[in-house]
Order: sequence, then C-alpha cells, then structure tokens
Amino acid sequence: QSVLTQPPSASGTPGQRVTISCSGSTSNIGSNTVNWFRQLPGTAPKVLIYSNNQRPSGVPDRFSGSKSGTSASLAISGLQSEDEANYYCAAWDDSLNGHLVFGGGTKLTVL
Amino acid sequence: QLQLQESGPGLVKPSETLSLTCKVSGGSISRSSYYWGWIRQSPGKGLEWIGSIYYSGSTYYNPSLKSRVTVSVDTSKNQFSLKVRSVTAADTAVYYCARHYCGADCYPDYWGQGTLFTVFS
Repeated sequence: QSVLTQPPSASGTPGQRVTISCSGSTSNIGSNTVNWFRQLPGTAPKVLIYSNNQRPSGVPDRFSGSKSGTSASLAISGLQSEDEANYYCAAWDDSLNGHLVFGGGTKLTVL
Repeated sequence: QLQLQESGPGLVKPSETLSLTCKVSGGSISRSSYYWGWIRQSPGKGLEWIGSIYYSGSTYYNPSLKSRVTVSVDTSKNQFSLKVRSVTAADTAVYYCARHYCGADCYPDYWGQGTLFTVFS
C-alpha cells in the first residue's frame, strides 16, 4: 500500500487532455513539493515535473503540474501515443525523521 | 554528462546480504545540495524508496526498511553502496541508484539504469 494514492489507470485519445491525481497527507504533500516521474517499459524513471510545477529542460509544455493542499495533479494536453507509460508522483515525508514516498503509479493508455 | 552505474551480484540466497555499488562518473559525489540514494521496483510493481546519503555521511532511510538497510559513501572512489541484510523473496527487484537534489526538500533527479537482483534459493 503506497503512502501517496494514484488511480491505477487512465486513458485518453490522441489530442485529448488527461489528468492524473495524487493524494497524500499533511506530512508529505501538505508540507513539501510534489514531483512526477514517467517510466517507459524496461527503462528507468525520469523526472517529468519537480517542485509541483517545474519542468526540466527538454520536457514539453504539454506537461504541467499543480498542487492544492494535500493533493496534486499531473495534466497532459495534446495526448500523443508516445505518452503511453507509467506515471508516478513522489514527495518528501517529514514523519519518522524524513523519507521519500511514492504513489503506486498510474498506467496511462493512449487509445 | 553525469552517469550512475549500479553493480553487484545478481543472485543471493535467502537470509544472506545484498550488496550493491553505484559508481558516479561525470560529476563529484561531494557536490553540495545533492544526496545519493537507492530506489527499488519489484517485478510488475511500483517504486519503493530505500534511503539516501550525503557525502558527509548523513543518511535518511525508509522507516519500513531501516532495520535491515545501510547506505554508505566512499568519496575517494566517487561511489556509494547499499547493503540489505537478511534478504527474502520480497527483496527481489530492480534496484536503481539515483542522485537526489535537495533544496527545500529532496527528490531523485538523475537515475541509473537499474540492476535486477534476485533472491534465489
């Protein structure tokens, strides 16, 4: 059971806008920033969004992140077939001396 | 360009100790604001954070693994290591080493390719 809660799956058609939610608590999302990772099959995860809404260089502006209270969301606009992947949220948790926690992941399918 | 490369035996028997090393190239492990850590992923499952270490030796651990895990650093070799004691089948996973940027809080910003570790009896 993951500390952060994500829907196990999401889907959309090319060109659509999809959102993936991530729910936590006051000790993690409520107190710290949220980061999003994308994992293609057989590869290591890569940072998609950091500090709630910042994109590393090279990440298209189709990807955006937001946070409100103890929840966060990742939005993908102009959905493309190559966006089919697993998406994970993560945040630092201040409890028990501090540690990083992940969501369980969301499998995005492009129909 | 920064590169992180995991190495270690791919197979270990139950109750033994898993030992992995992450060699860092293209950058100094002693750079400020960066921790160095480990994350694992069981087959077909999600990501589980294990722990991280600063070049000075300061550590953070996943509370659920803390009693069995040690992360250490060797700045002279620009590498860091992971030991997991008393392994069971539940420790079978792909183990990733990752650089963690720590500003207001920490997140893994650069990952190694990962190495599969199997507990095999």
